[in-house]
Amino acid sequence: AQKVTQAQTEISVVEKEDVTLDCVYETRDTTYYLFWYKQPPSGELVFLIRRNSFDEQNEISGRYSWNFQKSTSSFNFTITASQVVDSAVYFCALRRGTYKYIFGTGTRLKVLA
Amino acid sequence: GAVVSQHPSWVICKSGTSVKIECRSLDFQATTMFWYRQFPKQSLMLMATSNEGSKATYEQGVEKDKFLINHASLTLSTLTVTSAHPEDSSFYICSASTGTQDEQYFGPGTRLTVT
Repeated sequence: AQKVTQAQTEISVVEKEDVTLDCVYETRDTTYYLFWYKQPPSGELVFLIRRNSFDEQNEISGRYSWNFQKSTSSFNFTITASQVVDSAVYFCALRRGTYKYIFGTGTRLKVLA
Repeated sequence: GAVVSQHPSWVICKSGTSVKIECRSLDFQATTMFWYRQFPKQSLMLMATSNEGSKATYEQGVEKDKFLINHASLTLSTLTVTSAHPEDSSFYICSASTGTQDEQYFGPGTRLTVT
């Protein structure tokens, strides 16, 4: 079965706190891609990162970092020193070798001033 | 680059009428376009995949006669919700790709409200 699980439905943090959003995936494919998207209240999906299944290197981009662990089928996303503008729904997604994206149910992040 | 637009961004229509949503790739040729549906506070669900010049492929459970998809050119796909009902109210998002193996670029979405 192909599945993406984001167990955290909603997280609230105070500004400047670090927060980690969890993503666990299931796939039998050996080649796949993992994504994180941000969906602010406007609704438009904002691409954050893509990672292929052969690249387990962690990535850091400014205040964002991602930890990909194939051994636990996880692709977690950490925001360091969170800001109010980070408030949004964050989706983790799995793309199999072909085109189909499977989205998780999303985690709503609220950063309080 | 890789910009996808949708029109309209929001629409309100009466029950029983049809509404058309356009999805355009502005700076690339989209061989394949995808239509997703997102209910409030839920995830995105793929409705159908369309390739330019051929019939769309619908996901299981999606009524092809209700959600008409046309991909007449490499830059335009349309989704027509026919005989809309309140339960069709949703956020519709399209994405476009240069091919089924390639990256998808998402449009800003269209919020449909059926009264």
